[in-house]
Amino acid sequence: IVLTQSPGTLSVSPGERATLSCRASQRVSSAYLAWYQQKPGQTPRLLIFGASSRATGIPDRFSGSGSGTDFTLTISRLEPEDFAVYHCQHYGSSPTFGQGTRVEIK
Amino acid sequence: EVQLVESGGGLVQPGTSLRLSCVASGFRFDDYGMHWVRQAPGKGLEWVSGIRWDSGSSGYADSVKGRFTISRDNAKNSLYLQMNSLRAEDTALYYCAKAEDSHYSYYYMDVWGKGTTVTVSS
Repeated sequence: IVLTQSPGTLSVSPGERATLSCRASQRVSSAYLAWYQQKPGQTPRLLIFGASSRATGIPDRFSGSGSGTDFTLTISRLEPEDFAVYHCQHYGSSPTFGQGTRVEIK
Repeated sequence: EVQLVESGGGLVQPGTSLRLSCVASGFRFDDYGMHWVRQAPGKGLEWVSGIRWDSGSSGYADSVKGRFTISRDNAKNSLYLQMNSLRAEDTALYYCAKAEDSHYSYYYMDVWGKGTTVTVSS
């Protein structure tokens, strides 16, 4: 399964909404779709699992949705600390990651 | 505090071997599956290998199959990655990551180490 994330880079102003896409090359179960945030020089942090469940301590401005081959991570109002790279992952029999989307300050 | 600390990275020549280690603390290591994930400079994340809590099953990415071997020692709270026949394209930051449950597949990664850098170059 190949995961393709778009766009590669998203330029957004603080306070605005960001919508990130993750498309799978074949249908996957939403139970096995996760999103991770990675800030420069830091390790990845789990945001969303099961396509739409927030991990412990993740603010509710982060939400995940989707099914089949199309999944979305939405950040409702961007805070300064949200500018980072976001990776989607299918954690099936052989986990795979998308190539990442960079969210930068506009 | 739940923590994973990797070590063993370095600069090596193509064709040689290296063994990475990851020591876990703050949780019951032998209850959880574990992974190695790598990130080449400026690139995305790539799953390398995973192992079940009891070493009863493991899996590898096609890019490393036959060259890398994952193992664990639950008595030492440690995870290992033996890397043989290293290539330039194996150059990356290697992360150790904990699975959310006892198997490595079908469970997300909820704790990550800071990584250890492997550089393969002549």
